[in-house]
Amino acid sequence: QVQLVQSGAEVKKPGASVKVSCKSSGYTFTKHYMHWVRQAPGQGLEWMGLVNPTGDNSRYAQRFLGRVTMTRDTSTSTDYLELSSLRSEDTAVYYCARDQSSTWTGKMGWWCDPWGQGTLVTVTS
Amino acid sequence: SSELTQDPAVSVALGQTVRVTCQGDSLRTYYASWYQQKPRQVPVLVIYGKDKRPSGIPDRFSGSSSGNTASLTITGAQAEDEGDYYCFSGDTSGNIWLFGGGTKLTVL
Repeated sequence: QVQLVQSGAEVKKPGASVKVSCKSSGYTFTKHYMHWVRQAPGQGLEWMGLVNPTGDNSRYAQRFLGRVTMTRDTSTSTDYLELSSLRSEDTAVYYCARDQSSTWTGKMGWWCDPWGQGTLVTVTS
Repeated sequence: SSELTQDPAVSVALGQTVRVTCQGDSLRTYYASWYQQKPRQVPVLVIYGKDKRPSGIPDRFSGSSSGNTASLTITGAQAEDEGDYYCFSGDTSGNIWLFGGGTKLTVL
């Protein structure tokens, strides 16, 4: 079955960087984009960006530009999210989620399925 | 534009029908997908595209779209449907994606 397995929890100091991994199995890795989504404690889901199937192009939400890098290693079917200059507000659960899309009667739609189990990143001094 | 707007909270009596809505300019062009999230759990896809349900999602969940509004309808809400619901779609450019702010559903 399709599965996304993320790396374990991290504790980082302000100003540091964190790199979260997401290993895929059960499907053809190079046929799907991957989204990264985060959720701060008690808050909603926030889209951070996505990486294309070959890993040579990414798109990021405006608020993360300059601090985020999304990459992938197609040889190991693993995606990576790196966030730098961490601050306390970056404390959150970070999810990877496989992208799918299709078109019905000329109208396109995207969805995220499945999701990784989430990685808690805690930024504390 | 880059915004999907949801009501923060909605309640429904057990067994009744409830509609959760999501508004945004991009929804005139793109379908939304919907996710259910229960406390301390990973979000689960419940509706995508033109009213499509993933395997395992009960048929009391349905989706629709009209103008700039996407709707998730639960017909005959059950206690286990309580949770937060999020819509998701591309923005008007189709180059970035975003979630709505989420709707907390309470089943009374």
